[in-house]
Amino acid sequence: GEDVEQSLFLSVREGDSSVINCTYTDSSSTYLYWYKQEPGAGLQLLTYIFSNMDMKQDQRLTVLLNKKDKHLSLRIADTQTGDSAIYFCAEFIRGNKLTFGTGTQLKVEL
Amino acid sequence: DAGITQSPRYKITETGRQVTLMCHQTWSHSYMFWYRQDLGHGLRLIYYSAAADITDKGEVPDGYVVSRSKTENFPLTLESATRSQTSVYFCASSLAGDEYEQYFGPGTRLTVT
Repeated sequence: GEDVEQSLFLSVREGDSSVINCTYTDSSSTYLYWYKQEPGAGLQLLTYIFSNMDMKQDQRLTVLLNKKDKHLSLRIADTQTGDSAIYFCAEFIRGNKLTFGTGTQLKVEL
Repeated sequence: DAGITQSPRYKITETGRQVTLMCHQTWSHSYMFWYRQDLGHGLRLIYYSAAADITDKGEVPDGYVVSRSKTENFPLTLESATRSQTSVYFCASSLAGDEYEQYFGPGTRLTVT
């Protein structure tokens, strides 16, 4: 499958903004997603963006999509300790399958 | 309880043994998926199913068998477990394919000794 790349680790202070980046490889992706995995749990959908959009905002979350560079980012404003988790980007390509990135572990420090 | 459940949550088995991981969902979702999660690889799709009696291979199907005789169940069998199959396994379901949200189970941590 195609590789979806993320940095493995990000550490921020509580109250700061977090930016998690993702590079995907398939330009035909129709939807791109951000999932959150809390310790010992499965993944939960956080937000998604359709490929014809550049930006999507949902409360503290902002998703930016740069199709030319195949770059997706998730910005979390006013990061809280409860945001500590692993964040996965994923791309949907026709064929009913998602390809997930390697995951970024976000650690929020007091 | 409604939702998607997996059993067992933890399993230790020996090399060469057969082991079956269970997945059950109560939403009547058409699609079900099995992933494995390994450090540095994220989640990789093993098998998926579009409906009862319809299954298809994902990215890493070797050494695994699935079946789907009922819509709500999607068991994953390791026919002869190997150490490389030590992983955390997640089952997921979605209402349909395409862009619909996938709902994940809590995972099964499998250790093969």
